[in-house]
Amino acid sequence: AQSVSQHNHHVILSEAASLELGCNYSYGGTVNLFWYVQYPGQHLQLLLKYFSGDPLVKGIKGFEAEFIKSKFSFNLRKPSVQWSDTAEYFCAVNVNSGGYQKVTFGTGTKLQVIP
Amino acid sequence: DVKVTQSSRYLVKRTGEKVFLECVQDMDHENMFWYRQDPGLGLRLIYFSYDVKMKEKGDIPEGYSVSREKKERFSLILESASTNQTSMYLCASSPGRRGFRNTEAFFGQGTRLTVV
Repeated sequence: AQSVSQHNHHVILSEAASLELGCNYSYGGTVNLFWYVQYPGQHLQLLLKYFSGDPLVKGIKGFEAEFIKSKFSFNLRKPSVQWSDTAEYFCAVNVNSGGYQKVTFGTGTKLQVIP
Repeated sequence: DVKVTQSSRYLVKRTGEKVFLECVQDMDHENMFWYRQDPGLGLRLIYFSYDVKMKEKGDIPEGYSVSREKKERFSLILESASTNQTSMYLCASSPGRRGFRNTEAFFGQGTRLTVV
């Protein structure tokens, strides 16, 4: 079965610092990759997604992620974080399992940005 | 905009009660999912459905069942609620037939269930 690992559980940064959140998955076949964000008190929203093509994908609010197939990784980056980026971030993998789509999530990373 | 609506934001139920969590989507999506979200564990898939009256077990189906009588509605049922089922429950939907790739899931706002 596929799995998703997020190594950072809680990250604290000052405003304007750069951000990189790690995500590794275990699945040998074709995958779709996602980063979701959950702001305090709000529902889960899609930040960015990778289906195919350019492995560097750009999402909303200045976020980007790079798919490195050889490393089974899809790390999230942002050059300069803002206080409003305080949220929980989830990496997710969608695979075709037995003919069905199955989306597996990582355990999440809580980001706290200090003004 | 895709809308996934969960019937309750907060629920408090007693141990042993039968609990129904309802989810409705308005975009004619084939696929619907139920997850539970717990601190430090991320989102774990309970059940999913790729068509009306079809259901598949996810990673943690024990203690739960589901019903999909209409395409737009997917219900999660706790047959006899227990305290370890206290959690945030998230419903999601996505387009595409069985096996279709390159789609994203859209989530509801969640139902925080407390079992006392």
